[in-house]
Amino acid sequence: QKEVEQNSGPLSVPEGAIASLNCTYSDRGSQSFFWYRQYSGKSPELIMFIYSNGDKEDGRFTAQLNKASQYVSLLIRDSQPSDSATYLCAVGGDGSGYSTLTFGKGTMLLVSP
Amino acid sequence: EAGVTQFPSHSVIEKGQTVTLRCDPISGHDNLYWYRRVMGKEIKFLLHFVKESKQDESGMPNNRFLAERTGGTYSTLKVQPAELEDSGVYFCASSRQDQPQHFGDGTRLSIL
Repeated sequence: QKEVEQNSGPLSVPEGAIASLNCTYSDRGSQSFFWYRQYSGKSPELIMFIYSNGDKEDGRFTAQLNKASQYVSLLIRDSQPSDSATYLCAVGGDGSGYSTLTFGKGTMLLVSP
Repeated sequence: EAGVTQFPSHSVIEKGQTVTLRCDPISGHDNLYWYRRVMGKEIKFLLHFVKESKQDESGMPNNRFLAERTGGTYSTLKVQPAELEDSGVYFCASSRQDQPQHFGDGTRLSIL
């Protein structure tokens, strides 16, 4: 049974701070890792994906992957109130579009003005 | 580019009735996925189409659920007869080969 674990939160940070969201996964064969942001009643929106160990940066977002520790994280710099949402970590079996995703329950992030 | 579109956004039916959910993927996306989130749980995979063919239906809960994708375009997911435990949010996602999945807003299904 593949599992993805996330702290449900809420994680509260002040505006302008760095928010750090974490995720662990059970299947050592996993190859693709995704972070989705979901506002209430809306679709999960892809914000980052990473396939290789290390860091990947895109604007204010940095995804970090450590396959040896089976650990994925998302850093959000200069957090804004509009970043307040639930962040879903998803893991795929391989790096292709054929891969089905296993999701965590999500971490709620609250950014206060 | 239009996103993944799902109809209806909400559906409330009684136990024993039939409901059909529809998903229109992003144009040109051969891969189409159905997922479901029941209250308090994580989003879970139901099945995967590649064009009109079922690639993986290992997540389908039982034979009351029937998914189709005629012509490799839109997909339907029928629940017949609906049971109380089928309540939840049903998400559809689509992707090009070797690309991440993009999700629709989901259909919130309530069984009374």
